[in-house]
Amino acid sequence: GAVVSQHPSRVICKSGTSVKIECRSLDFQATTMFWYRQFPKQSLMLMATSNEGSKATYEQGVEKDKFLINHASLTLSTLTVTSAHPEDSSFYICSARNKGYNEQFFGPGTRLTVL
Amino acid sequence: AQSVAQPEDQVNVAEGNPLTVKCTYSVSGNPYLFWYVQYPNRGLQFLLKYITGDNLVKGSYGFEAEFNKSQTSFHLKKPSALVSDSALYFCAVRDTGRRALTFGSGTRLQVQP
Repeated sequence: GAVVSQHPSRVICKSGTSVKIECRSLDFQATTMFWYRQFPKQSLMLMATSNEGSKATYEQGVEKDKFLINHASLTLSTLTVTSAHPEDSSFYICSARNKGYNEQFFGPGTRLTVL
Repeated sequence: AQSVAQPEDQVNVAEGNPLTVKCTYSVSGNPYLFWYVQYPNRGLQFLLKYITGDNLVKGSYGFEAEFNKSQTSFHLKKPSALVSDSALYFCAVRDTGRRALTFGSGTRLQVQP
């Protein structure tokens, strides 16, 4: 149990375009989802926390207008990178948590490359 | 603010030998501690956690970790390393408020045959 999927696994886009990444909890209801960003050979940095049906809470330094997060249902959260630039190239990982559980379950990640 | 330190960028061990990956933490209040493993271009896989109870926590794939409150440490251990254990290991502490995780910088484990 407790599987989280991400789609796409890899995406290459041109500078200035927008990219949407989906995060789904497949066998449980995720009241909270987290979006992390990982640069090569670095740790995961929390970008934002999203709760179903409410606005996401962004970490300091993360532009909410650039990284749009929608947690429309208990099984789906999306991250849209708007007007992507090469410096947005990174590995984006989501995690999901069900209410009452101490564990987060991580998706497999999405590798974004902006040309 | 909470923080996690993994002092070693890389740990090298020979197959069959015991391994230890170090982690120290700083939190206010009771710590919720986790270990995750990451293989290349993959997400994180949960290994084990400490919430409360026994200081020695047993997890997946034969790994265990010892919670030491006086030393604020949560070192990951395995009695006999396998080549397939070679990966990137992250220690993390959970924020009791937001439930988000703060990760250490990661330690690359290389097990030589």
